[in-house]
Amino acid sequence: GEDVEQSLFLSVREGDSSVINCTYTDSSSTYLYWYKQEPGAGLQLLTYIFSNMDMKQDQRLTVLLNKKDKHLSLRIADTQTGDSAIYFCAESIAGNNRKLIWGLGTSLAVNP
Amino acid sequence: EPEVTQTPSHQVTQMGQEVILRCVPISNHLYFYWYRQILGQKVEFLVSFYNNEISEKSEIFDDQFSVERPDGSNFTLKIRSTKLEDSAMYFCASGTSGTVSYEQYFGPGTRLTVT
Repeated sequence: GEDVEQSLFLSVREGDSSVINCTYTDSSSTYLYWYKQEPGAGLQLLTYIFSNMDMKQDQRLTVLLNKKDKHLSLRIADTQTGDSAIYFCAESIAGNNRKLIWGLGTSLAVNP
Repeated sequence: EPEVTQTPSHQVTQMGQEVILRCVPISNHLYFYWYRQILGQKVEFLVSFYNNEISEKSEIFDDQFSVERPDGSNFTLKIRSTKLEDSAMYFCASGTSGTVSYEQYFGPGTRLTVT
């Protein structure tokens, strides 16, 4: 069945890089997404990658996709205290409905 | 920048009561979704809506749930007879119909508490 897994917690120092990892099971995934949720706020789309790509870079964010291992990662360069949030990995499955299957979220703590 | 809005931000209701959660999607979007997140659990897909009809619904979306787009701008989720286990954060999302864009933009959520 469809499943997305993430580690629950990550703690980094300000200025370091953060790498948040995600694995998924469905090989028919079309797009893979990273969403950010700050305390008390909604789900903010950060970036996404099409399944035929290996990498996507967007300013401080780098997404790497290893389709063979069904592994997705999000690297945040020069992590700031404002990056402290929960980061969700999600996949959409081939088809017209475009529903998203979600991981549990990784809580990123950035320490000064 | 356009955004998805949801009202109310928090709804408290008694078990067995009907609730309507409201969403205003981004104006040129054509796909609409409801998801929910029970505390401590994964975000779960409930239903997708396109061209004035449900395009997919999950097992959770049983007969007590319904969706409507009554006036071309609002998108509502009705829960007919709430249960304790319906307590969750409910997120509305909307997406474009572009061939490239599979982006879904989420509202801030409605926290539903059933007592």
